[in-house]
Amino acid sequence: AQSVTQLGSHVSVSEGALVLLRCNYSSSVPPYLFWYVQYPNQGLQLLLKYTTGATLVKGINGFEAEFKKSETSFHLTKPSAHMSDAAEYFCAVSEGAGTASKLTFGTGTRLQVTL
Amino acid sequence: NAGVTQTPKFRVLKTGQSMTLLCAQDMNHEYMYWYRQDPGMGLRLIHYSVGEGTTAKGEVPDGYNVSRLKKQNFLLGLESAAPSQTSVYFCASSIIDRVAEAFFGQGTRLTVV
Repeated sequence: AQSVTQLGSHVSVSEGALVLLRCNYSSSVPPYLFWYVQYPNQGLQLLLKYTTGATLVKGINGFEAEFKKSETSFHLTKPSAHMSDAAEYFCAVSEGAGTASKLTFGTGTRLQVTL
Repeated sequence: NAGVTQTPKFRVLKTGQSMTLLCAQDMNHEYMYWYRQDPGMGLRLIHYSVGEGTTAKGEVPDGYNVSRLKKQNFLLGLESAAPSQTSVYFCASSIIDRVAEAFFGQGTRLTVV
């Protein structure tokens, strides 16, 4: 079975600082990887996804992630944090054969942005 | 454009009571899912459906039942609620594609006392 590990349940950065949220996966087949964001009292929304091709993926709100097969990682970064980035972030892997798109989520990382 | 709508948003149940959570989507998606979110555990898949009239078990199906009588609706039932089912429940839907974005509802916060 595929799995996702997110290192650090809480990350705190200053406004304007680099954001780095870590995600490692395990998969016996080429993975499809996702980052979702959850703002307080809301559902999840897609930030970005990696399927095939370019390993550096750009998403919404200035976020990007790099797929590194040798490190089985898909870390999320943003060069300069903004107060509005405070949220919980989930890394996920798509499992299942064929067209099934069940997502297996990591445990989440709560990002705090301070002045 | 409503997207995915969950009803109700909040509910408090007594142990042993039953209830049904309703999920409705207006995007004509084939796939629908029910997840539960618990602190420190992320989201875990309860049940899912790949089309009208079909359902399948996810990672944590015990204590729950589901039905998908209409393509746009996916119901999650708790026949006899237990405190361990206190959680936030999310419904999601997607098209038939392993790399498709899943669209989530805003969640139902359920407390079982």
